[in-house]
Amino acid sequence: NAGVTQTPKFQVLKTGQSMTLQCAQDMNHNSMYWYRQDPGMGLRLIYYSASEGTTDKGEVPNGYNVSRLNKREFSLRLESAAPSQTSVYFCASRDNNSPLHFGNGTRLTVT
Amino acid sequence: GQQLNQSPQSMFIQEGEDVSMNCTSSSIFNTWLWYKQDPGEGPVLLIALYKAGELTSNGRLTAQFGTTRKDSFLNISASIPSDVGIYFCAGQLRGGATNKLIFGTGTLLAVQP
Repeated sequence: NAGVTQTPKFQVLKTGQSMTLQCAQDMNHNSMYWYRQDPGMGLRLIYYSASEGTTDKGEVPNGYNVSRLNKREFSLRLESAAPSQTSVYFCASRDNNSPLHFGNGTRLTVT
Repeated sequence: GQQLNQSPQSMFIQEGEDVSMNCTSSSIFNTWLWYKQDPGEGPVLLIALYKAGELTSNGRLTAQFGTTRKDSFLNISASIPSDVGIYFCAGQLRGGATNKLIFGTGTLLAVQP
């Protein structure tokens, strides 16, 4: 039982490049989330998906898009990466009224 | 965006010492959670609190849901080197599948053997 799996673990992009961060969970959770973590800022919600087929903006959605491909998978896309998007990205999942389970993160650097 | 005030920002202590940290908010929450993040990994849930005044323990960890529902406390007794990491509080309003967590800014704990 792997829990929440994120790929890649590390990525370096040049400004303007695009990429997709992948996330999959094997706990049959309905809700999935993407957070970014920056020094001194804690975790901030980018987008979330309350159930398969739905997505909603979080606190800091600008510059990102998401796709809830199926119940297991929730991807985060950067269409044109900017240095301000250098961060550690965490995917998480949960069921109603249960705590979040996090992946191990993707460390992204945009030069 | 809304964040919780978590203090202290960092702590450097000797092995065996007790540790206290807390979170405060201007908002009322129905649930308080405490997570720990080890270097290079995602946060892992330590303790969940669901009722005002609730006091819950998990081994050497004890957390309390403040009676005002605007704060929470985490205590670690007799710290050991593996307690090193970043501790996050999170507040949550109960509201079905779309309820979201608000995270604190984290407390970095360093334990010297």
